[in-house]
Amino acid sequence: GENVEQHPSTLSVQEGDSAVIKCTYSDSASNYFPWYKQELGKRPQLIIDIRSNVGEKKDQRIAVTLNKTAKHFSLHITETQPEDSAVYFCAASLTDSWGKFQFGAGTQVVVTP
Amino acid sequence: NAGVTQTPKFRVLKTGQSMTLLCAQDMNHEYMYWYRQDPGMGLRLIHYSVGEGTTAKGEVPDGYNVSRLKKQNFLLGLESAAPSQTSVYFCASSYPSRTGLSGANVLTFGAGSRLTVL
Repeated sequence: GENVEQHPSTLSVQEGDSAVIKCTYSDSASNYFPWYKQELGKRPQLIIDIRSNVGEKKDQRIAVTLNKTAKHFSLHITETQPEDSAVYFCAASLTDSWGKFQFGAGTQVVVTP
Repeated sequence: NAGVTQTPKFRVLKTGQSMTLLCAQDMNHEYMYWYRQDPGMGLRLIHYSVGEGTTAKGEVPDGYNVSRLKKQNFLLGLESAAPSQTSVYFCASSYPSRTGLSGANVLTFGAGSRLTVL
């Protein structure tokens, strides 16, 4: 089955700097890669996703890149702000299946003023 | 639109006791899921359902049972709770991609249920 590895497990950045989280997946058939953000004590919420026919996707200060050959994808947050502090989860799945998601272990991002 | 609602939010059990977590969604989603979240282990799928009356095992199904008698409800049961089942449980739902709907495959999560087994 699919296996997703996520690095780093914790990331501390100065406000205004950039943050990058990387994930690798094992199943070359996976074609949908979402990122979820979970603030302390809250539920995970989708922040951005990418499908395998696209190499990069941006939404304001966040972007995701996908390298299908190397089987890895990354989340980039620019100009970090205190409200970016949260746990971020990557996931991989097959869109034409029942939506079977394999999540990474999560990255705790702390943005310090 | 309440989205996905989980009850109870908190529960403390003694080893061997049983309980049921209830998940309800009002978005007419076909797919529903139960995940558990433990520190450093991300979200692990316990059971899932692709429609009313159907359920299937996920990654960590042992010690849990589920039922989906109505499309909007997905119940997670612990027949004999163990300390290893201390966790935060999240229910989620989604549209399948074949619907072509905007937001297909996007998981909508409930607020979580924190369970402690002593």
